Parts: sequence; C-alpha cells; structure tokens
Amino acid sequence: EAQVTQNPRYLITVTGKKLTVTCSQNMNHEYMSWYRQDPGLGLRQIYYSMNVEVTDKGDVPEGYKVSRKEKRNFPLILESPSPNQTSLYFCASSLGLPITGELFFGEGSRLTVL
Amino acid sequence: ILNVEQSPQSLHVQEGDSTNFTCSFPSSNFYALHWYRWETAKSPEALFVMTLNGDEKKKGRISATLNTKEGYSYLYIKGSQPEDSATYLCAPFGSGAQKLVFGQGTRLTINP
Repeated sequence: EAQVTQNPRYLITVTGKKLTVTCSQNMNHEYMSWYRQDPGLGLRQIYYSMNVEVTDKGDVPEGYKVSRKEKRNFPLILESPSPNQTSLYFCASSLGLPITGELFFGEGSRLTVL
Repeated sequence: ILNVEQSPQSLHVQEGDSTNFTCSFPSSNFYALHWYRWETAKSPEALFVMTLNGDEKKKGRISATLNTKEGYSYLYIKGSQPEDSATYLCAPFGSGAQKLVFGQGTRLTINP
C-alpha cells in the first residue's frame, strides 16, 4: 500500500530535549516536505527536499533541521525544542515538484513541548 | 508570498443540502491549484489538481471550478452527507512562491 509513515504520532517532551520525527514513503517520490499546522493558520512549510542530499528552507525553518540521506526517508530534527514548537506536524511527498502532481500526507505527529 | 484566502472559515449545512465555498489567490504567475480534504484525526487527501482557466473537475458529488484570470476557485458539494464533514484546504502553486501555499481551510459540518 502506498503510504507516508510518520513516527511518533504523539509526543510530549520538555524544553531542550532533542527529538526526531521520522518520515518514510514507499512510493519512490523525489519531493518530500514538512509542514506544521497551528490553529487559525494554514499548513506552513518548514523544510522541503527535491531529492537525496538536496534540502531547502520553507517558510518557518527556525529551530528545525532535516536530512535526506536516502530517497525514502526525511526526518525532522528539533535540536532544542521550545514550547512554541508545540504543533501538529505533517510530512508529505510527491513524485516531483507538487505542481500538477498531488501531495501524499502522513497521518501527522502531534508534538507538545512543556 | 502568496496570499490565499478561503471563505467561509466554517460552515454548517443540513444533510441533503448542497453547498459551496471559495478559494481566492493572486492571479499572476499561476501554475496550479490543489484542493485537499482533511478529516479530523486523519491526513489531508487530494481531491483535485487544476491548472487551466475554466477547468472543471468532478469526483462523485464534489466538483470544483477554476478561474485563473480573476484568481478564484469554487468547490461544490451536492446533496451533503455526514461523511462530507471535514476541513477543505486549497493550495495554489505559483511561480513566485515555487511551492504550494495553503489557505486556512473551510471547516464543513453536516448536520443530520
């Protein structure tokens, strides 16, 4: 089954404790992206990747890191989480740049930073 | 940065009624317009990807139209059912932003 898998789905952590949210897709997609969803705001892009070893900042990259060592995986790293990073996070992928091709989303990771 | 507006922000509709809502976006440098349906506790799923002015797409009881010259798209749902309750997101892709920019969504609730 074609899917984007995120882990963990739910996480409560404390300020400053490094964490990684994993994202994996099994569709051989080149494009992958991370979004955060906050109340009253649309999905905002954090980072994206056009292919292996090619990543770039989105609209809200501060406090986050990503890597793309393999085509299927695109982990999101919070080196020193802060309460303003409490949010719902989505990983998404598409075959290429999502112009005429749709995005496929993971099920979301709800992160709370105390 | 693209300014994407969806209206209304929320909508309550009686089961069986038809409804529609709007996505407005800058008309310049337009490439494509995506519609996604997002049910609570699930992931957003693509409904339509539209590129041409005047384009009209349909999936069951849901259809969408696109006007790239004036910068808007309508989503229509005919004969609403409880399973249509969801947040509907639109996202244009423009040459300026070089990415999808999501609107805040229209939250639709169908009352049985």
